Amino acid sequence: AQSVAQPEDQVNVAEGNPLTVKCTYSVSGNPYLFWYVQYPNRGLQFLLKYITGDNLVKGSYGFEAEFNKSQTSFHLKKPSALVSDSALYFCAAYNFNKFYFGSGTKLNVKP
Amino acid sequence: DSGVTQTPKHLITATGQRVTLRCSPRSGDLSVYWYQQSLDQGLQFLIQYYNGEERAKGNILERFSAQQFPDLHSELNLSSLELGDSALYFCASSASDSKQETQYFGPGTRLLVL
Repeated sequence: AQSVAQPEDQVNVAEGNPLTVKCTYSVSGNPYLFWYVQYPNRGLQFLLKYITGDNLVKGSYGFEAEFNKSQTSFHLKKPSALVSDSALYFCAAYNFNKFYFGSGTKLNVKP
Repeated sequence: DSGVTQTPKHLITATGQRVTLRCSPRSGDLSVYWYQQSLDQGLQFLIQYYNGEERAKGNILERFSAQQFPDLHSELNLSSLELGDSALYFCASSASDSKQETQYFGPGTRLLVL
């Protein structure tokens, strides 16, 4: 079955420290990969996407993601976390006309 | 504000009933996507329409149906509602049907089935 996994329900990091939110996928072919963020009581917001090309993708709000084909991973990263980055993050993959979402990772950035 | 609007914001109904959720895409966007976010199932893609035609289908139940009208707004119809249908329903829009296009999400409709 096709799926996207986010192995951590929650990630805690101190403000100013680097953060990583992990995502691995099991989707056949060469899927498009996405990261979305959801703030409380709000809809999802697009952060970045990987279609093809450079394995390091830069997105909104200083986030970037590293695509690793051999490990089928697409980890979200930020060099220096902000308290305002605290939110729910979703990884998604698209292929063959279907989207597959991970279960979400809650990021807590403490001052 | 993404430019995508959804009505109503909240909906409370009873099992067995039917409801209609409405979505207006961003001005100029031709694609509309519907998603369901529930506590036990997470976020799931339901269906996509492009310029009035169905383009992709995800985990949409047979009790659910959608359509996109000539003015490009879309409606998601949920019938024979069950307790497990309680969820947050999002729609998103994009300019074209290319999955490379960024999707812009609406604020969602929170459905509670009692």
